[in-house]
Amino acid sequence: QKEVEQDPGPLSVPEGAIVSLNCTYSNSAFQYFMWYRQYSRKGPELLMYTYSSGNKEDGRFTAQVDKSSKYISLFIRDSQPSDSATYLCAMRRNTDKLIFGTGTRLQVFP
Amino acid sequence: DTAVSQTPKYLVTQMGNDKSIKCEQNLGHDTMYWYKQDSKKFLKIMFSYNNKELIINETVPNRFSPKSPDKAHLNLHINSLELGDSAVYFCASSPGTANGYTFGSGTRLTVV
Repeated sequence: QKEVEQDPGPLSVPEGAIVSLNCTYSNSAFQYFMWYRQYSRKGPELLMYTYSSGNKEDGRFTAQVDKSSKYISLFIRDSQPSDSATYLCAMRRNTDKLIFGTGTRLQVFP
Repeated sequence: DTAVSQTPKYLVTQMGNDKSIKCEQNLGHDTMYWYKQDSKKFLKIMFSYNNKELIINETVPNRFSPKSPDKAHLNLHINSLELGDSAVYFCASSPGTANGYTFGSGTRLTVV
């Protein structure tokens, strides 16, 4: 079993929809949680960074961490075709290496 | 001005060859990384350097050798390339070991 599990998708939604992306993990020592967006043939770019449990909002994006369930989510409101990309969750223990999920491919159609 | 730059962007080479990939960051970050992304988009760490010192060395064949001449550069040398080495290799950097990473745009390596 991988340390971080993520549904690969693809997830296809119409423009304007609310998108929910999720990851589960097995290591309760993870403390830092991130979401990266990767466009085709580009490097991942950091979208959201949270520490421990709770919510964080940035524009149309909201990250949620539920450490008791070992579950993290990224919500995208009013999704746009430009949001079409692969979304990777990532997490780490303290200063340890960053462990990535396999990514969920999102397609937002006009 | 590119923050983390890798060269070359594309590399096609024959089995058995030796090749190098270079990475430079102009962010003033202390820590740099090499990640390998396979065909299923899975990103796996290979190496990490903090201020020129190797701090993470994952289970990677010893045909792969990283070198950090200074904290702004981290190069990856690969000996005796194999078909299974075909992947996209990403360099990344972070201000410290507890921060998010800034990634380069990747080097797409194809071994034929």
